[in-house]
Amino acid sequence: GAVVSQHPSWVICKSGTSVKIECRSLDFQATTMFWYRQFPKQSLMLMATSNEGSKATYEQGVEKDKFLINHASLTLSTLTVTSAHPEDSSFYICSASGGRGSSGANVLTFGAGSRLTVL
Amino acid sequence: SQKIEQNSEALNIQEGKTATLTCNYTNYSPAYLQWYRQDPGRGPVFLLLIRENEKEKRKERLKVTFDTTLKQSLFHITASQPADSATYLCALGSGAAGNKLTFGGGTRVLVKP
Repeated sequence: GAVVSQHPSWVICKSGTSVKIECRSLDFQATTMFWYRQFPKQSLMLMATSNEGSKATYEQGVEKDKFLINHASLTLSTLTVTSAHPEDSSFYICSASGGRGSSGANVLTFGAGSRLTVL
Repeated sequence: SQKIEQNSEALNIQEGKTATLTCNYTNYSPAYLQWYRQDPGRGPVFLLLIRENEKEKRKERLKVTFDTTLKQSLFHITASQPADSATYLCALGSGAAGNKLTFGGGTRVLVKP
């Protein structure tokens, strides 16, 4: 089935540094990937839609200069949290739709998530 | 504004019983509704999709209903098992916007042996 790999699974960094999270579709090509953020005991909040070969579309209230998204190939999207601060500490999850073995074009396959802790 | 509501209180249920979860939405006309399972510290995993013209969907011990008049979906886990303990999320999609989904807050289910 469709598999999305996300790396790293957890990262701890100092305030002011930048952190890059990778999201790969392992066995299918994903022209569109989605990045979500989830705070403890809260739901997934969509941050941005990552489109291969073009600029990402950000949701209202999400700073595009803070959360840089690059979707350079059909199997890889990256999220870079720039100048991270403690309030950026969260669980970041990527997802992609489609792929052989998935349950349909409208279904998302999620990565395992990346836990970011900013000290 | 669009709102998706799930019971934020945890659902504690005895093994073997049926767990029923509710997803209500307002100011939304979804083309389909999905249910996902999320375990702690993990990404959600797709369970079932039901379209606006479907009333009911089943998959093994899972059953989903969709009432577009009531703007509500019910998610049932029959013959529940401790391994079913997790948070269950409903998500709505319009069919447009590249499969963009909007998620509810999730309901945590705890199945006791």
